[in-house]
Amino acid sequence: DVKVTQSSRYLVKRTGEKVFLECVQDMDHENMFWYRQDPGLGLRLIYFSYDVKMKEKGDIPEGYSVSREKKERFSLILESASTNQTSMYLCASSSPGQGAKYEQYFGPGTRLTVT
Amino acid sequence: AQKVTQAQTEISVVEKEDVTLDCVYETRDTTYYLFWYKQPPSGELVFLIRRNSFDEQNEISGRYSWNFQKSTSSFNFTITASQVVDSAVYFCALRPITGGGNKLTFGTGTQLKVEL
Repeated sequence: DVKVTQSSRYLVKRTGEKVFLECVQDMDHENMFWYRQDPGLGLRLIYFSYDVKMKEKGDIPEGYSVSREKKERFSLILESASTNQTSMYLCASSSPGQGAKYEQYFGPGTRLTVT
Repeated sequence: AQKVTQAQTEISVVEKEDVTLDCVYETRDTTYYLFWYKQPPSGELVFLIRRNSFDEQNEISGRYSWNFQKSTSSFNFTITASQVVDSAVYFCALRPITGGGNKLTFGTGTQLKVEL
């Protein structure tokens, strides 16, 4: 079974802090994704990565950056956390190839609160 | 641009009732995949089904069935004889088969509550 794990289920940080959210997958997937989930807005893509050291902006990248130094690990970074970044953050991974039909596998999510 | 609309924000039913979750999509792509995911209270999205735009056959899996109608751009999900364990948020999603990478466009989700 595919396993996607996220470093924390719940996180509370202060405004202005630098925040790291870690995601690890164990299925050798090339593609990895970071979403945020907010009530009434569904899931919105922040960043994704097709390979090590590669990253592309999603729909809402402002205020975030990412790092992918190893294939299995994809980190989301909030350089200076703000209260409007309080949200549920979901990581996902999938098999490669634009034509591939493979679905995305999701981690359990990190509920981040910025005070 | 792609868009997925789940107009039902929240649905409440009594156990054993049938319930249909609606999904309407917009895309300029001629070939695409449609998905349904379930998000139980634990938070992790669970994949339920993938359907490609070539195949309009309806699918049934146990108490779950899906109705894909390309003419109305809809991909509705029906749960027959609902159970309390079906309580979750359900998301419909779309992605092109070619181009656009592996990115999914999600709807806003439908919260289903099944009560005894």
